[in-house]
Amino acid sequence: GQNIDQPTEMTATEGAIVQINCTYQTSGFNGLFWYQQHAGEAPTFLSYNVLDGLEEKGRFSSFLSRSKGYSYLLLKELQMKDSASYLCAAGQTGANNLFFGTGTRLTVIP
Amino acid sequence: DAGVTQSPTHLIKTRGQQVTLRCSPKSGHDTVSWYQQALGQGPQFIFQYYEEEERQRGNFPDRFSGHQFPNYSSELNVNALLLGDSALYLCASSTGTLYEQYFGPGTRLTVT
Repeated sequence: GQNIDQPTEMTATEGAIVQINCTYQTSGFNGLFWYQQHAGEAPTFLSYNVLDGLEEKGRFSSFLSRSKGYSYLLLKELQMKDSASYLCAAGQTGANNLFFGTGTRLTVIP
Repeated sequence: DAGVTQSPTHLIKTRGQQVTLRCSPKSGHDTVSWYQQALGQGPQFIFQYYEEEERQRGNFPDRFSGHQFPNYSSELNVNALLLGDSALYLCASSTGTLYEQYFGPGTRLTVT
């Protein structure tokens, strides 16, 4: 079966660092994706990890450990506009769709 | 370059009715996937179309059907609407790889 777990809600302060964790179970793993979704809008691609390690892209970084079925998204120098839902999604070998978690709603406070 | 477009933006239907949602993929993309996103949940995969055929399907009943046209645009049809079909319906286009999947703004369907 497939399963993705991530916290439902998180709150962090403007200028701080926040880490959003995601654990997954899926057969034929083919990459871990993070998307950002503002309320009422489409998800937008943030990052993709298929090998173990850290991928850094500006203020956002994503980490993957395949042996532990674990990933995290790290957001640095938080801005108010970072308030959104962050969706963790897994790809499956031989499949062309993404399996999404329920998302983590991040609220950035002044 | 236009991204993925969807129509209509919002739609209100009554239980038992039928609905058709439309999607135009990003220029250069030939694969269209449809997802259903209930309030407070992540998107769930409905099906994917490529070369005018359904290539893959998620765990959705036959009431959900689709079509892809020669210009790669796509339709999602839902028959015999239930209250539980109320959701945001997202279309995503790509060239077939997961990495390049771009989402449209979605159609908000409300069933009363």
